[in-house]
Amino acid sequence: LAKTTQPISMDSYEGQEVNITCSHNNIATNDYITWYQQFPSQGPRFIIQGYKTKVTNEVASLFIPADRKSSTLSLPRVSLSDTAVYYCLVGEAAGRRALTFGSGTRLQVQP
Amino acid sequence: NAGVTQTPKFQVLKTGQSMTLQCAQDMNHEYMSWYRQDPGMGLRLIHYSVGAGITDQGEVPNGYNVSRSTTEDFPLRLLSAAPSQTSVYFCASTQSGGRGISRIHYEQYFGPGTRLTVT
Repeated sequence: LAKTTQPISMDSYEGQEVNITCSHNNIATNDYITWYQQFPSQGPRFIIQGYKTKVTNEVASLFIPADRKSSTLSLPRVSLSDTAVYYCLVGEAAGRRALTFGSGTRLQVQP
Repeated sequence: NAGVTQTPKFQVLKTGQSMTLQCAQDMNHEYMSWYRQDPGMGLRLIHYSVGAGITDQGEVPNGYNVSRSTTEDFPLRLLSAAPSQTSVYFCASTQSGGRGISRIHYEQYFGPGTRLTVT
């Protein structure tokens, strides 16, 4: 199972773009990269998923370079409500493979 | 759809007591799992199930039992509660699939959590 490494915490201000990078050097050829968001006292929530290049949805963008050894979650113009912990996962939930969350990146958005 | 539901929301136990945390989903998901989250930490996988009748251990299974008699329900049993089991417990479910070539991680849906305190 590919291990991921993320910064422990990041600070930003409202209106700024925030980029959180995740390293996954031993990602398998067919593995996807998934990001979750967790607010205090709530379960994690799926944000975005990708395999290579760039994926964009209404919440975020995900950039994945050609070697796929890292990925960057981009949050455009953050607001106070984006203050949360963000987790990067690589692997699958199907089959008998366990899926684990790391410690995540704690993003604090200031006014 | 109610999604993933968990009961109770809060529970206080004395050391040595046993109890069952309930988890149910109405999305017909095959894959279900239990995580614990200690203060300021990430989630750690306790047990998971890929379908009715099939369970497997995760990262921190000791002190917990699970069973999966139906697709909908995945209860977590604490056999003899210890203060080290004080944590927030999350249940999650996801559709299965992604076998073979496409090892996609399907979106996991999480319940609201059960906050457990063992004194």
